[in-house]
Amino acid sequence: EDKVVQSPLSLVVHEGDTVTLNCSYEVTNFRSLLWYKQEKKAPTFLFMLTSSGIEKKSGRLSSILDKKELFSILNITATQTGDSAIYLCAVLDSNYQLIWGAGTKLIIKP
Amino acid sequence: SQTIHQWPATLVQPVGSPLSLECTVEGTSNPNLYWYRQAAGRGLQLLFYSVGIGQISSEVPQNLSASRPQDRQFILSSKKLLLSDSGFYLCAWQEGRFNQPQHFGDGTRLSIL
Repeated sequence: EDKVVQSPLSLVVHEGDTVTLNCSYEVTNFRSLLWYKQEKKAPTFLFMLTSSGIEKKSGRLSSILDKKELFSILNITATQTGDSAIYLCAVLDSNYQLIWGAGTKLIIKP
Repeated sequence: SQTIHQWPATLVQPVGSPLSLECTVEGTSNPNLYWYRQAAGRGLQLLFYSVGIGQISSEVPQNLSASRPQDRQFILSSKKLLLSDSGFYLCAWQEGRFNQPQHFGDGTRLSIL
């Protein structure tokens, strides 16, 4: 059965810290991996990764994919309270369906 | 730019009552549209998706149904709600190719009493 597993499930850090969120997957015929940030309501799209080893970057957020070891990481540097959210990882399979992880709840303390 | 509207934001309904949640998209044509349910601490569960008017694919057998009466309108319905239908319902749109990101509405928090 295809699955996406995120770790840790929750994380509490202080403002200014750097965090690394993990997403591992077992998906038949992987097409791409997506990261979303969900604060209170709508998940908002962050990154889509299709190739191994190519880092995607947006401000203090960056992400990379390892298709050999079947995982991705999302890094956030110099964290701010506004980074507090649930971070969701999803993998697009051969049927073009997204398989979602349970998310990592990140809390940034001032 | 594209926007997605979903309403109502919250809804409290008695068991056995009907349901209608609406989702509309602006600024794009012929999008793929999706309904998800999100349970606390769990990933998003795909309920229905649509690639065009009147075309609905169901992923999970249940007492819910979906309809797409217009290109940019997607409706989630039920004739009789169950307690297990409580949850957070999200609508999403996608450019008409499946390898593009999905973009979500603000969701509806549904509580069944």
